Amino acid sequence: QVQLQQWGAGLLKTSETLSLTCAVDGGSLSGYYWNWIRQPPGKGLEWIGEISHRGSTNYNPSLESRVSISVDNSKNQLALRMTYVSAADTAVYYCARLYTYYCTATRQCIYMDVWGKGTTVTVSS
Amino acid sequence: DIQLTQSPSFLSASVGDRVTITCRASQGISNFLVWYQQKPGKAPNLLIYAASTLQSGVPSRFSGSGSGTEFTLTISSLQPEDFATYYCQQLNSYPRTFGGGTQVEV
Repeated sequence: QVQLQQWGAGLLKTSETLSLTCAVDGGSLSGYYWNWIRQPPGKGLEWIGEISHRGSTNYNPSLESRVSISVDNSKNQLALRMTYVSAADTAVYYCARLYTYYCTATRQCIYMDVWGKGTTVTVSS
Repeated sequence: DIQLTQSPSFLSASVGDRVTITCRASQGISNFLVWYQQKPGKAPNLLIYAASTLQSGVPSRFSGSGSGTEFTLTISSLQPEDFATYYCQQLNSYPRTFGGGTQVEV
């Protein structure tokens, strides 16, 4: 049973850098894309970006200038870095596994099936 | 970006009710639509993928349908543990986007 363990600094000041880590327990990074998603208090979900085990990334254009996602295959971990945070970045941050496979000969099935428990990040001035 | 519009945003229902939630995409996304359930303080939990395929372990009272731009999530007989917020997500293109959520409450 794959589990994702998350950790990182929970309280930041405006303009500091957010750093979070997500460790994959019971499985491998290989063969999947690994995602970061966030959820501001009382609001909906926002996709931040993703990375493959080879380091190929895709980012949300709204955050791309401040976000970097990296992977450490030797530790089975991925990391999120976000620079120049503000109060608008206060949120619960989740990592999640994206599973993609051919469920028929011609049709792909794609979904996020394993999620971390989330890390609360609060940005204050 | 593909916008996903969920309706309603809030839904008041009772145990045993049949509940339907709609998710409309701003452009066609084939069947790359996923539904999640989220309870307070918890991570989202996958219910349905490929618009209509039930994730393993999810009760059969949950079902999904649709293709292209209009999708529905149906709970055939609402149970006490189903009171939660439901989100749709499109995985057809980047950036991945979520619907605004539907809170199902008593």
